[in-house]
Formats: sequence, structure tokens, C-alpha cells
Amino acid sequence: NAGVTQTPKFRILKIGQSMTLQCTQDMNHNYMYWYRQDPGMGLKLIYYSVGAGITDKGEVPNGYNVSRSTTEDFPLRLELAAPSQTSVYFCASSYSLTSDSYEQYFGPGTRLTVT
Amino acid sequence: GNSVTQMEGPVTLSEEAFLTINCTYTATGYPSLFWYVQYPGEGLQLLLKATKADDKGSNKGFEATYRKETTSFHLEKGSVQVSDSAVYFCALNNAGNMLTFGGGTRLMVKP
Repeated sequence: NAGVTQTPKFRILKIGQSMTLQCTQDMNHNYMYWYRQDPGMGLKLIYYSVGAGITDKGEVPNGYNVSRSTTEDFPLRLELAAPSQTSVYFCASSYSLTSDSYEQYFGPGTRLTVT
Repeated sequence: GNSVTQMEGPVTLSEEAFLTINCTYTATGYPSLFWYVQYPGEGLQLLLKATKADDKGSNKGFEATYRKETTSFHLEKGSVQVSDSAVYFCALNNAGNMLTFGGGTRLMVKP
């Protein structure tokens, strides 16, 4: 199993450009998440999905959009990139939300710089 | 709301030293508690967890005990190695659908 894969690893965007961060998991997990990690900070949840066709906002959703057309894929779309979106983005997945079996599996991250 | 507070880093230790990274939390009810580790250039990995009061999570020589009376989940290791150098995140899940993370603590172990 590859686990959670993310592409690209690095990207530089100009202000106002758009891009899609790709995330794929091969563990048949029903839950998927997007986080951002700012320097020296913890992770903040952007969006999450509890299954194909279902998404919901996290703590910091503004400036982002997601879709979940399949169980495997959970792309994150940035429209009109802004310098405040410079961050490292992590995708994660998990099988269950019950606390006694809870573990999120993380991808390696995408480092995005907006200038 | 839920929150997690970790000691600020970086924590710099010599090899074989004793490690403690403090973590306290605020939450209603009975959250589950986690420690995640992030090695350089990688995503987060679950290190250990505890799902109820007085539980002790352990893995790779690391331990943490769920202390409800002090709302704490401090991470400890008796003898650190250079390979333990990483960023450690404390987190909680409180019967909801999100993890709340602390700010992370960078550990640097020198030979």
C-alpha cells in the first residue's frame, strides 16, 4: 500500500493564480481531511469528508474548495491564491471516527509559496 | 471549545538524556488523547494514544499517561536517541470528527 499520497511536493504560485492539490489514499478509508501547517504552528483543519459526495468545512475553510467524487481522491482547490495561503498542506485519512479506533494517516505534505 | 497547549521548543538534549514534553488540554467530557510525531520532510505519524483516564499509551520507548485530574498527557522517554529528533504534536479527539492539535514541540538530540 502506498498509503496517502500528495502531489505536488512543492509549488510556487503568483498572487491570484489557482491550483489544485491532489490527495489519494489506497486504504479504502471513508474519512479524509485537509490541514494546513504554518511555521511553528500546529495543524488547522481546512475541510474534511466523511465519504464520497460529502464534504464539510473545518476551522479555516476560506479561500479553499474541495470535492470528493470517489473514496480514494480528495483534491483541494485554491482559487485566487493569496500570500496568507503560504503554508504546508497535509492530507490525511482515517477509517473511523470512533475514538477507540481513531488514527489518522498523513501524506508527506505539499509546500506552497504564494508571492 | 477544545484546546491543547504544549511546551514551546525547541528542546535540545544530549543522547541518552531523559525527555519530558508537557501537554495540557481543555475539553468537555472525556476526550481521547494522542501524540503524533513528524520527522523532517515527512507527514505526521501516530506515536501513541490513550482513550480513557489513567490509561498509559506507549510505543518505541515513549510513554504518556492520561491524567484527568490535571488534564495532562505528558510525553516521556527515558533515554533519547539522535533518531528521535522530530516535532511532536499532542492532540485530542472529543467525540466529534476533528482532531485538535497543539502547536508542536521540536526535539533536537545531539550525539
